[in-house]
Amino acid sequence: GQNIDQPTEMTATEGAIVQINCTYQTSGFNGLFWYQQHAGEAPTFLSYNVLDGLEEKGRFSSFLSRSKGYSYLLLKELQMKDSASYLCALMDSNYQLIWGAGTKLIIKP
Amino acid sequence: IAGITQAPTSQILAAGRRMTLRCTQDMRHNAMYWYRQDLGLGLRLIHYSNTAGTTGKGEVPDGYSVSRANTDDFPLTLASAVPSQTSVYFCASSDSRAINEQFFGPGTRLTVL
Repeated sequence: GQNIDQPTEMTATEGAIVQINCTYQTSGFNGLFWYQQHAGEAPTFLSYNVLDGLEEKGRFSSFLSRSKGYSYLLLKELQMKDSASYLCALMDSNYQLIWGAGTKLIIKP
Repeated sequence: IAGITQAPTSQILAAGRRMTLRCTQDMRHNAMYWYRQDLGLGLRLIHYSNTAGTTGKGEVPDGYSVSRANTDDFPLTLASAVPSQTSVYFCASSDSRAINEQFFGPGTRLTVL
């Protein structure tokens, strides 16, 4: 079967760095996605990793280790607008996205 | 229309009633999806469509049906609503069902009493 785990909630300070972890178990793998979802809004795409390593995109970076079933999203120079839920999703061998429950990130001034 | 739209924004429905949630995209995407999102759970796929004229079942299809008569529209129907179908429903689309970013509509908040 497939399973995705990520922390339910995290708190960080404006201007700081935060790392949101995601672990998964799956028999088939076609990559891992991160989405951002502000309260009451739709999810929006942040990043996609299919090979091991770090992908950097501005203040956001995403890392993947396929052998460990592990990914993280790194947010630098946190801003209040980064307060949102961050959803980890793996694409299985049937190209279906399996979603984690999301990590609610609270940014404090 | 810009992107993907859903209607209605929210709805309160009596149990046993039939309801159709509408979804329209103008990006000419081949693949479309319906998800439900419940507190404490990840998005769960209800039905999907790889291209116009085809549909498939997702993780939680029971009690729901879909059709894909054309590229742009992908309505979701609840034939006889039950309280467990109270949820936020998101429609999404992507260029194909392969490894592509999915674009989401704003969602429909449905309450079944």
